[in-house]
Amino acid sequence: KNQVEQSPQSLIILEGKNCTLQCNYTVSPFSNLRWYKQDTGRGPVSLTIMTFSENTKSNGRYTATLDADTKQSSLHITASQLSDSASYICVVQNTGGFKTIFGAGTRLFVKA
Amino acid sequence: GAVVSQHPSRVICKSGTSVKIECRSLDFQATTMFWYRQFPKQSLMLMATSNEGSKATYEQGVEKDKFLINHASLTLSTLTVTSAHPEDSSFYICSARDVGGRAINEQFFGPGTRLTVL
Repeated sequence: KNQVEQSPQSLIILEGKNCTLQCNYTVSPFSNLRWYKQDTGRGPVSLTIMTFSENTKSNGRYTATLDADTKQSSLHITASQLSDSASYICVVQNTGGFKTIFGAGTRLFVKA
Repeated sequence: GAVVSQHPSRVICKSGTSVKIECRSLDFQATTMFWYRQFPKQSLMLMATSNEGSKATYEQGVEKDKFLINHASLTLSTLTVTSAHPEDSSFYICSARDVGGRAINEQFFGPGTRLTVL
């Protein structure tokens, strides 16, 4: 069964601290994994996209990693800011794009 | 990056009326658009896949006669919620796939439409 599981469900951190969000998947055959940021009441915005051959990709303070062998990905946020408060969604797509599986998301709260 | 717009951003309607939501790809052509529904604190749930010039493909459990989808051009898809009821109140998000000759068909999401049915 194709699934994407994210942890933790929610996270509270202080401004300036780092954090790491996890994503485990069972989607097969794997094509790509994406991390999105969704602000409350807005549509998701793409942060990173990784294919099978990529194991790390950065976008500013966001760094995503991918281990295709263990089917795990992480999103690391460095020096968090208040504006990082949002839901972070892991999305995995299978080959051919016939199936796109969304994780339930991690709700991040950054406090001053 | 590519831009997808939705209109309206918010709509409040009376029970029994119909509501139309537009999704436009502003700077690229999208042969495929997707419609999602999102309830509070939950992830996006795919409702249907809309292909330009053909009938939409609905996910299991989604009533095609209630959620009418039209994809008449390469830049516009519409979702009409017919005879809306309070349980249809939700956040509706569209996305458009930019084929663009790239190996990965990335989806770009619209900003969403908040529907409230009284």
